[in-house]
Order: sequence, then structure tokens, then C-alpha cells
Amino acid sequence: AQSVTQLGSHVSVSEGALVLLRCNYSSSVPPYLFWYVQYPNQGLQLLLKYTTGATLVKGINGFEAEFKKSETSFHLTKPSAHMSDAAEYFCAVSAQSRRGGNKLTFGTGTQLKVEL
Amino acid sequence: DAGITQSPRHKVTETGTPVTLRCHQTENHRYMYWYRQDPGHGLRLIHYSYGVKDTDKGEVSDGYSVSRSKTEDFLLTLESATSSQTSVYFCAIRGGGSYNEQFFGPGTRLTVL
Repeated sequence: AQSVTQLGSHVSVSEGALVLLRCNYSSSVPPYLFWYVQYPNQGLQLLLKYTTGATLVKGINGFEAEFKKSETSFHLTKPSAHMSDAAEYFCAVSAQSRRGGNKLTFGTGTQLKVEL
Repeated sequence: DAGITQSPRHKVTETGTPVTLRCHQTENHRYMYWYRQDPGHGLRLIHYSYGVKDTDKGEVSDGYSVSRSKTEDFLLTLESATSSQTSVYFCAIRGGGSYNEQFFGPGTRLTVL
């Protein structure tokens, strides 16, 4: 079974500071990993994904994440936070279902606050 | 934009009443999903569909049923709503790429009094 742990339900950074949101996963097979962002009263938007190949993945809005198999981690980073980055972020791992489609298992989310 | 709409967007109902939520997609995707989002739990899969009339349970399926009579519509039904089903419900589709990413609708906020 897959699982995802996001350390820190709330993270606060200053505008211009580094953003680091932590995600650790458990998977019995090579995982597909995703980061989603949710702005208030909206659905989830895909930020980036890791499938195979390059372990450093770049996404939208200047975010990137590094897949580290030895640490079972997929932490999300952004060099310089902007006020518009304030949102909730979800890490997810994909497992193939017996019916052919995939199922996503989500972490509990990290609320990012950006302060002036 | 994955062409996903959900209706209604907001609903308040009373305990014991039946409720149906609709997810509609315009791009002929085979796989569709229903999740619920609750504080401290992230999103949890309720049911999913792998084709017309083909559905399967997720991790929190008790108290919910689904139907998919045509490709574009995936319905979630609460036969007898309870207060524990107060939540935000999201529909998703699996995109056409090969990496299993899912794309989400705008959500339905359901309150059961």
C-alpha cells in the first residue's frame, strides 16, 4: 500500500525567502509522485510530477522537487517566495489499480503562508 | 483546463435525505474519480470509474454509491446523508498522458445538518 507523509501542516516564510515543503512516501513499487496546489475555494492544480528519469523535476510558478529514492522523499522547493504562493500544497503518490486506472494517495497537506 | 464541471457547487441538506452530485467532462476521458477533502485528511478516494458502467470502490466508499451511464457523466449519490458526510467533494479525470496525472474539477461543498 502507498502512503504519503507531509511534515508540517503549516509553514510560514517571508517574501523572497526559500520555500521548502517536505514530503516522504512509502511505495512497494517505483512511484509516480505529484505535487498539487490548491488556492482558496478552488480545485487542485498540478504543480509538477516525477515519473522516471531525471530526479530534479521543474514545475510551474518556479517550483521544483527532487526525487531521492534512498530517502523516500520528494520535497518541494522554490528559491524565492512570492505573496501569490500562499496556498495549500499536497503531495501525492500514484498506484496502479487492478482495473487499469491509477489511484492517488494524498498527504494531509501543507498550508503555506507568505509574510511581508 | 480539463473541461470538468461539477454541480451543484454548494448544497445544504438535512440528515437522512438523498443527495446526488454530478461530475461532467467534455474530453472523453475513460477514468473518473470522486474524492472528499476534509481538514487533516487531505483528499481521500471514494469511488472511481474505468469506463461506462464500470466502477470500483476507493478507501472511503461506505455510504456512497456511484453511477456512470455515459462517458461524460459520473454521479456520486449519498443514499441517506449523515453529518459525517459534510465535506468538499472533488471529481477528477485521468489525463491523456502516460504518467497517470489527474486533473480536478472545482469542487462541491456539501453541508449536512
